[in-house]
Amino acid sequence: DGGITQSPKYLFRKEGQNVTLSCEQNLNHDAMYWYRQDPGQGLRLIYYSQIVNDFQKGDIAEGYSVSREKKESFPLTVTSAQKNPTAFYLCASSSQEGGIQYFGAGTRLSVL
Amino acid sequence: KNEVEQSPQNLTAQEGEFITINCSYSVGISALHWLQQHPGGGIVSLFMLSSGKKKHGRLIATINIQEKHSSLHITASHPRDSAVYICAVRPNTGNQFYFGTGTSLTVIP
Repeated sequence: DGGITQSPKYLFRKEGQNVTLSCEQNLNHDAMYWYRQDPGQGLRLIYYSQIVNDFQKGDIAEGYSVSREKKESFPLTVTSAQKNPTAFYLCASSSQEGGIQYFGAGTRLSVL
Repeated sequence: KNEVEQSPQNLTAQEGEFITINCSYSVGISALHWLQQHPGGGIVSLFMLSSGKKKHGRLIATINIQEKHSSLHITASHPRDSAVYICAVRPNTGNQFYFGTGTSLTVIP
């Protein structure tokens, strides 16, 4: 089965801690995205990557970091600099930048 | 500022009713994407369109580029259609999508 897998489903962060959200896809897609969803707001783009070893900041990149060492994987690190990390995080991929996006099931991050 | 506005925000319908969800946007776009988000949070792509109309089963999406408006219709609605429906647009100037806040649909048996 092709798809996007995000893990974990739920994640808790202590103050001052960095946490990493996993996103893996086996769709052979070049482009991958990370979004943040808050209640009452539309999805907002954190980072995106069009190709391995390359990524660009989205609208709300501050306090986050990413890597794209493999085509299949695009992990997101929520750093201690992100002062309001509680949100639902969604990873997506598309065969080309700007194409139809396929989403993972999401990770819900809360602060302890 | 949100370049994408959806209406209504919340919608309750009886099973079998015809449903319309609207999406308006303020910029020139190259594509519009309709998505469905289930209560668990997972998002599924329904349609991507840049002109005219697309149909899949009981779902129909239309777009009027001149009026900067799109509608998603559901015929013969069913409780399993209960979800949040999200509209997203891709402006002419780039490849990033901008998302509306969604329309929460509840279909009552």
